[in-house]
Amino acid sequence: DAGVTQSPTHLIKTRGQQVTLRCSPKSGHDTVSWYQQALGQGPQFIFQYYEEEERQRGNFPDRFSGHQFPNYSSELNVNALLLGDSALYLCASSLINPEGGYGYTFGSGTRLTVV
Amino acid sequence: GNSVTQMEGPVTLSEEAFLTINCTYTATGYPSLFWYVQYPGEGLQLLLKATKADDKGSNKGFEATYRKETTSFHLEKGSVQVSDSAVYFCALFGRKYIFGTGTRLKVLA
Repeated sequence: DAGVTQSPTHLIKTRGQQVTLRCSPKSGHDTVSWYQQALGQGPQFIFQYYEEEERQRGNFPDRFSGHQFPNYSSELNVNALLLGDSALYLCASSLINPEGGYGYTFGSGTRLTVV
Repeated sequence: GNSVTQMEGPVTLSEEAFLTINCTYTATGYPSLFWYVQYPGEGLQLLLKATKADDKGSNKGFEATYRKETTSFHLEKGSVQVSDSAVYFCALFGRKYIFGTGTRLKVLA
């Protein structure tokens, strides 16, 4: 049973560029959430997608946007990259109403470095 | 808003020592509480959970009890191994996960 797959695993971008990160959810899951984990910090919620719409959003600027496709996979896009966007980006999949947070599966993440 | 506070690391222990990592939370309502573990270069793995007051979550020798009166969910293990070396995150879930800043554990042989 494949878990959550994220690509690429590592990425280096220059300030001001744009980046797209990809996530394939665990089989049977219909919801994708994205988290940003800065070095030495806990993951911070960016947003959640269900039925191809953004359902919840954390405290991140509009430079962060996303998309969910009919097959439930998702993309995270970040425009006008800043040095502070350097982080591990984690994707988590679930069903839309998991029991109290149980049933989330996290991917191994994409390590983004902005230089 | 909801928040999680956990003890700063690193925590360095000898093999077979007793482990406690403190975690307290602030929340409206009755969130579920979790401990996740992150090994080097990997994502998050669920370690254990508790969904209501006085519930005890346990897995792989780790335990944590949901204490509503002290708003705490401390992680304990009676005898740590070198393979337990990792970063541990306490988290609560309302409509999304709120994570603590993580505690790095180093176990020496």
